[in-house]
Amino acid sequence: EIVMTQSPATLSVSLGERATLSCRASQSVTNSLAWYQQKPGQAPRLVIYGASTRATGIPARFSGSGSGTEFTLTINSLQSEDFALYYCQQYYNWPPWTFGQGTRVEIK
Amino acid sequence: QVQLVESGRSVVRPGTSLRLSCAASGFTFNTYGLHWVRQAPGKGLEWLAVISSHGDRKYYADSVKGRFTISRDNSKNTLFLQMNSLGDEDTALYYCVRDQGYCTATGCDNVGGYFDYWGQGILVTVSS
Repeated sequence: EIVMTQSPATLSVSLGERATLSCRASQSVTNSLAWYQQKPGQAPRLVIYGASTRATGIPARFSGSGSGTEFTLTINSLQSEDFALYYCQQYYNWPPWTFGQGTRVEIK
Repeated sequence: QVQLVESGRSVVRPGTSLRLSCAASGFTFNTYGLHWVRQAPGKGLEWLAVISSHGDRKYYADSVKGRFTISRDNSKNTLFLQMNSLGDEDTALYYCVRDQGYCTATGCDNVGGYFDYWGQGILVTVSS
C-alpha cells in the first residue's frame, strides 16, 4: 500500500498571500496524484488531477506540481473561500486508493 | 449536471446490517466505475470499495473486506453498499464517488482514475 504524507498539518496564511502544501508518496506514483478541497459540512471537491491539471471550474490561482514521490499544491493570492482542508490522493497503484491525512489552510 | 445522492438508514445498532444506496443522474451510469469512501467524525478520507462499470470487478479495503459488499443496478442508475456486522468504528460519513477512469496506449479502463464527482454523503451512526 502506498502511504501518502502531507505537510504541514495546518498552514496559517493571510488573505492575499501564497499557500504551499506538500504531499509525499512512500513510492513513486508517477503523476497519478489528485488534490481535493473540503470545506466544513461539504463533500470533497476535485481541485487538481494528473499532479498539475486544474479540474473544471477551479481558478487559475491553484496550481499543482511534482512527480514521482514529491508533490506541491500552491494557492496564490489566497481568497476567503480557499480556507479549507486539502487532501492529496494517489491513483497509481490500487487497490487501495490512498489519501494523505490532510492539510488545513486557515486564516492567519 | 452530475449528481450522486446517497440514502439509507442513519442510526443502527452494533452488530446489525445496513444497505446504503446512491442514486446517480446526469451521466451515462453504465460507463463509469464507482466507489464508496468514508470519513469518520473529525478524521480523514478512507477509501472502502470500488465496482467497475458492469459490476464484473470489485475491490475492497482490508478494513471492510468480508463485511461490506458493493453492487450496482445499471437499469436503475443506482449504487449500493451492503454493510454487515457494523461496529463503532464504522460510524462515519459515507460518500458515493465517481471514478474518471483512465486511458493508456493499449486501451481504457473505467476504474483506476481520480475521483471527479462526490455525493453529499450520508452519516451512518453505529450506537447502542
